[in-house]
Formats: sequence, C-alpha cells, structure tokens
Amino acid sequence: GDSVTQTEGQVALSEEDFLTIHCNYSASGYPALFWYVQYPGEGPQFLFRASRDKEKGSSRGFEATYDKGTTSFHLRKASVQESDSAVYYCALGTQVVGQLTFGRGTRLQVYA
Amino acid sequence: EAAVTQSPRNKVTVTGGNVTLSCRQTNSHNYMYWYRQDTGHGLRLIHYSYGAGNLQIGDVPDGYKATRTTQEDFFLLLELASPSQTSLYFCASRGQGMDTQYFGPGTRLLVL
Repeated sequence: GDSVTQTEGQVALSEEDFLTIHCNYSASGYPALFWYVQYPGEGPQFLFRASRDKEKGSSRGFEATYDKGTTSFHLRKASVQESDSAVYYCALGTQVVGQLTFGRGTRLQVYA
Repeated sequence: EAAVTQSPRNKVTVTGGNVTLSCRQTNSHNYMYWYRQDTGHGLRLIHYSYGAGNLQIGDVPDGYKATRTTQEDFFLLLELASPSQTSLYFCASRGQGMDTQYFGPGTRLLVL
C-alpha cells in the first residue's frame, strides 16, 4: 500500500538556521503530496501541496518540490523562527479514493 | 477555510464504557474522516464517509463504529472502550473535487 517516510523524531535548530525535513513516498499512480503543520493543542493545518512532477509548493516561507524521480517532497525553509516550532507531517493523497496517508511526523524545535 | 468543530474536547471513561465523539463541519463538504493520533504512529485513518448515510472503513477500524447522520455531522462510536483506544482523535473534511483535508481541534480520550 501507499506509504510516507519522513525525518524521524525531533529536529532542533537555532533561529535563522536552514531547515530541511526529508519526505519520501511510495505509491501507485500519481499522488498529490502535502505538508501539514500542527501546533500544540490544535489540529493539523494545511500548509501547501503539489500535484505534478517538478511543481513547487510554498507557504509562510516553507517550500517543497515534487520530485517523481526520487519520490521525494522535502520541506525546506531558509531561516526558521521560534514560532515555527511545531510538528510537521508529510502526506500523500489520491483523488479517486480521497484518502490521505500521513508520515509519522517530525517535531521541529527552534531555540531563540 | 473550512470550519470543523469537535466535541467533547476531553473525555475520560472506564474500560467497557460507551463513548460517542462528535464532529460537525459547516462548509458543505461531502467527505468527512476520523483519525487517531498516537506517538510514533502519526495520524491513522479509522473511518470515513462520502455523504449522509455512507460509511467507509479506514486503516484501523477495529473497535470503532461511525455514523454520518447529515452532511454536517459525523460521529465516532466506541461501544466497549479499551485502554488501547486512549488517544487523540481528529475529524477532518474535504470538498468534492478537492484533495485538501481540513481538521478539527481534536478530542483527547482517556480510557482507564
């Protein structure tokens, strides 16, 4: 079945550091790829998506590029802030079925 | 952005107890989903629905029932709660022809 593998556990950075959270997927067909962010005490929030090869999604300074060749959708941000501290989920979705398959989440902790 | 609300926000019950979690969305979305979130597992799909009266089985359905009474309302039922069902439960919805899901704030359930 479909699956998503992302950077495990926690990533600890200082403010203004560069962020990369790796996301690789395995799926039949041509899925849409998503990043969600979850702040403490809240539900996951949609960050952005991409649905075709080489398409870049972006929001709030975060970006990721759909790479069908390497089956990846890595999340990057050039300069993180303390307010970016949250759990980030990579997910894939197929329009026909309508489901999302999530990775296990990566906790980002940014220190001032 | 879609408005999804959940109630209660916190619930404590005993083993063997009967629990109903409620979800309402007010954006006329056709699809609604129930997930559970556990450390080390991320978000896992329990049940979902295409519309009133429809129910589809997700990836971890054992021990759960669900019912979609209207387009707005989706309920998750635990008829004989067990400690393994202690978790954080999220409801989500999405519109026809869209692939982005919008999440509620979650219900934290503790089964003693």
